[in-house]
Amino acid sequence: QSALTQPRSVSGSPGQSVTISCTGTSSDVGGYNYVSWYQGHPGKAPKLMIFDVTRRPSGVPDRFSGSKSGNTASLTISGLQAEDEADYYCCSYAGSYTFVVFGGGTKLTVL
Amino acid sequence: EVQLVESGGVLVQPGGSLRLSCAASGFTFSTYGMHWVRQAPGKGLEYVSGINNNGGYTYYANSVRGRFTISRDNSENTLFLQMGSLRPEDTAVYFCARSPWAGHPPDVWGKGTTVTVSS
Repeated sequence: QSALTQPRSVSGSPGQSVTISCTGTSSDVGGYNYVSWYQGHPGKAPKLMIFDVTRRPSGVPDRFSGSKSGNTASLTISGLQAEDEADYYCCSYAGSYTFVVFGGGTKLTVL
Repeated sequence: EVQLVESGGVLVQPGGSLRLSCAASGFTFSTYGMHWVRQAPGKGLEYVSGINNNGGYTYYANSVRGRFTISRDNSENTLFLQMGSLRPEDTAVYFCARSPWAGHPPDVWGKGTTVTVSS
């Protein structure tokens, strides 16, 4: 069982928007503004899409955005494209003794 | 260019030992926290272990605590994972990743090395 809870799957049609949630506790997501999101394909290096809740690394399209409310962080992908189909993982700082915790991952299907 | 390159993954029998390495380049290794994260076949990412920039603080997931040891050699820009008492459920791709500081989620990942535990 993962420390952070994500939906197992979400889907959307090209051009639509989808939001993936990541629910933790006040000891991780809710307590700090250090939430990252990764795009992953099985067996390949995860790609950083969002860091520090809302910040985008250079090269990541502005269709990807992050937010947080209370103990839940969210990744929103607008203007869905076929290439966005992947697994998405959230990760949060969880204190100096635990370092970081991951979500279980969400499979995004572009219909 | 920032780069992390893992090595050492092989087929090993249950109960065996293995040491993974991660060679870092393109950044000041000694100022970053480092992590090992694994992905079993068909599964999601699982955090395995982390270490702060000078090696003074470490963390282990419950699933590996007492069997795995993380370490680093800042003079050689290399991260290690010593794995012992290996089990079939340790079979996974093992990724090395860096963080601006030990508790921050990783920002750069290696491509991974495959560990298979089977008789």
